Amino acid sequence: GAVVSQHPSRVICKSGTSVKIECRSLDFQATTMFWYRQFPKQSLMLMATSNEGSKATYEQGVEKDKFLINHASLTLSTLTVTSAHPEDSSFYICSARDPGRVSFNSPLHFGNGTRLTVT
Amino acid sequence: GIQVEQSPPDLILQEGANSTLRCNFSDSVNNLQWFHQNPWGQLINLFYIPSGTKQNGRLSATTVATERYSLLYISSSQTTDSGVYFCAVERRGSQGNLIFGKGTKLSVKP
Repeated sequence: GAVVSQHPSRVICKSGTSVKIECRSLDFQATTMFWYRQFPKQSLMLMATSNEGSKATYEQGVEKDKFLINHASLTLSTLTVTSAHPEDSSFYICSARDPGRVSFNSPLHFGNGTRLTVT
Repeated sequence: GIQVEQSPPDLILQEGANSTLRCNFSDSVNNLQWFHQNPWGQLINLFYIPSGTKQNGRLSATTVATERYSLLYISSSQTTDSGVYFCAVERRGSQGNLIFGKGTKLSVKP
């Protein structure tokens, strides 16, 4: 089945630094990838949609200058948390749908997530 | 927007017991998925089930799309079943925006 790989799984950084998270589709090409965020003991919320070769689209309330998304190839999307602060500490998880399957009629596959802690 | 409600919010079971988790949603959907999030945060896709019934080992799921609900059945529960179970739906016309419920936290005691 479709596999989405995410790296790193865990990162601790100091306040003010930037952190890059990678999301790769391992056995399929993904023109679109999705970034979700999960605060402790809460559910997952879509942050942004990453589009290969074009700008990402962000959900309401998500700062595009803080969460930079780059989707430079059909198998890689990156999320960079810029000038991280403790309130950015969260679990970030990406997903993608195998376009080889019929659109809107196939599941989204998720990476294993990245736990970010900003000290 | 579409609302997704899961019940119960918390569930404690003795090992070997059966359980049913429910997911209600407020609008027509293209996609419905059940996930198990383990203590390490890993989101495991259990079922892709926008309609009908599926079974996978001790787990099965049923979605009645016309009545806008889905059920996840866990039989003969094991301690490794502990974790949070999420239901997530994708509204018709939306691509990739899975709306998650708040989850059911399951604890299976030995």
